[in-house]
Amino acid sequence: EDQVTQSPEALRLQEGESSSLNCSYTVSGLRGLFWYRQDPGKGPEFLFTLYSAGEEKEKERLKATLTKKESFLHITAPKPEDSATYLCAVQAGSWGKLQFGAGTQVVVTP
Amino acid sequence: DAGVIQSPRHEVTEMGQEVTLRCKPISGHDYLFWYRQTMMRGLELLIYFNNNVPIDDSGMPEDRFSAKMPNASFSTLKIQPSEPRDSAVYFCASSIQGDKLFFGSGTQLSVL
Repeated sequence: EDQVTQSPEALRLQEGESSSLNCSYTVSGLRGLFWYRQDPGKGPEFLFTLYSAGEEKEKERLKATLTKKESFLHITAPKPEDSATYLCAVQAGSWGKLQFGAGTQVVVTP
Repeated sequence: DAGVIQSPRHEVTEMGQEVTLRCKPISGHDYLFWYRQTMMRGLELLIYFNNNVPIDDSGMPEDRFSAKMPNASFSTLKIQPSEPRDSAVYFCASSIQGDKLFFGSGTQLSVL
């Protein structure tokens, strides 16, 4: 059975304190790994898609990397506006069908 | 572009009542998804459509749940009869060719 596990469940950072979030997965035939950001009361917002091991993508203070078994979301010098829940999802088998992890809640304090 | 539009934003109903949630996907998107989010189970895929045709409804919890997509611009998720355990946030999302999903703001459903 496909599984997606995110760690830690919650992360509290000081502004400027860099850290990494982990997403480990066990799926058959990975088509893509997705990172989303979700703010309270809103739907998830797309950040990145990674398709193959070794791939990296960056957007502002965020950088996502992918290996054969896990993905990392690195947050460099975070700001309070980076506070959100970060969700990882995998797409395997059928195009379109995403399985989400439970998410990591990140709080960045000034 | 207005994005994915869901209505209502909030719905409070009593157990046994019928609930209908509505979704307008982004124009030109050929996939539409219905997800449910709870604290206990996170985001769960209920059903998804490709070109208005249901592809996978294995996530629909019971026969009380049904979804339709009569055209490319509109979809509904219906719960009849509703139960307290159906309380959750229901999200609709759309995409092009099953790639990155764009989510609506969700419908917060409370069944009393």
